[in-house]
Amino acid sequence: DIQMTQSPSSLSASVGDRVTITCRASQSISSYLNWYQQKPGKAPKLLIYAASSLQSGVPSRFSGSGSGTDFTLTISSLQPEDFATYYCQQSYSTLGTFGQGTKLEIK
Amino acid sequence: QVQLQESGPGLVKPSGTLSLTCAVSGGSISSSNWWSWVRQPPGKGLEWIGEIYHSGSTNYNPSLKSRVTISVDKSKNQFSLKLSSVTAADTAVYYCARKRAVAGSRSNYYMDVWGKGTTVTVSS
Repeated sequence: DIQMTQSPSSLSASVGDRVTITCRASQSISSYLNWYQQKPGKAPKLLIYAASSLQSGVPSRFSGSGSGTDFTLTISSLQPEDFATYYCQQSYSTLGTFGQGTKLEIK
Repeated sequence: QVQLQESGPGLVKPSGTLSLTCAVSGGSISSSNWWSWVRQPPGKGLEWIGEIYHSGSTNYNPSLKSRVTISVDKSKNQFSLKLSSVTAADTAVYYCARKRAVAGSRSNYYMDVWGKGTTVTVSS
């Protein structure tokens, strides 16, 4: 199985900050990497697919980069509605494993 | 736009079978997408359970494969999950989701539409 490891597990930041979340795969997954945002009591929401493609309707302050084993999700200027938990997910194998999540909290 | 809605019992007894249905509206289950189940235990992360194509082809998480069955009912535009021999460890919010291919790719997928989720508790 492909293991996905996110860092950090939690992060405190302020509105307006630039934030980067990292996801590392246990083997090369090319660009087969998606990012989701989840708020408490809600379903996950797709933000980024294929490592760097912005899902329709997602604000442009979200961006993704990387290929192979190392990926990043960047929020250029945090907004109040961005405080949530973020998950990466690989789609290289049928068993689409998720990272353990990064909880983004207000400082 | 496509919407998904999970339904099923919220309480299942240990050793019993968990049965959930996901109704697809605003689109056809026979479209070129896979239809997935994902679960999330309380306070924990996301776990992919399995998926089905409208042809009936399925893929399952190896860790659950011996207990999982996913089926499709094209006449009702819905798909279903059965998980047998449940224990407290199967207590979770269960989501259904549409998995579609990245344009131009036959192997790169993402889950772009999700149901709201349904909570299933395993308890006597």
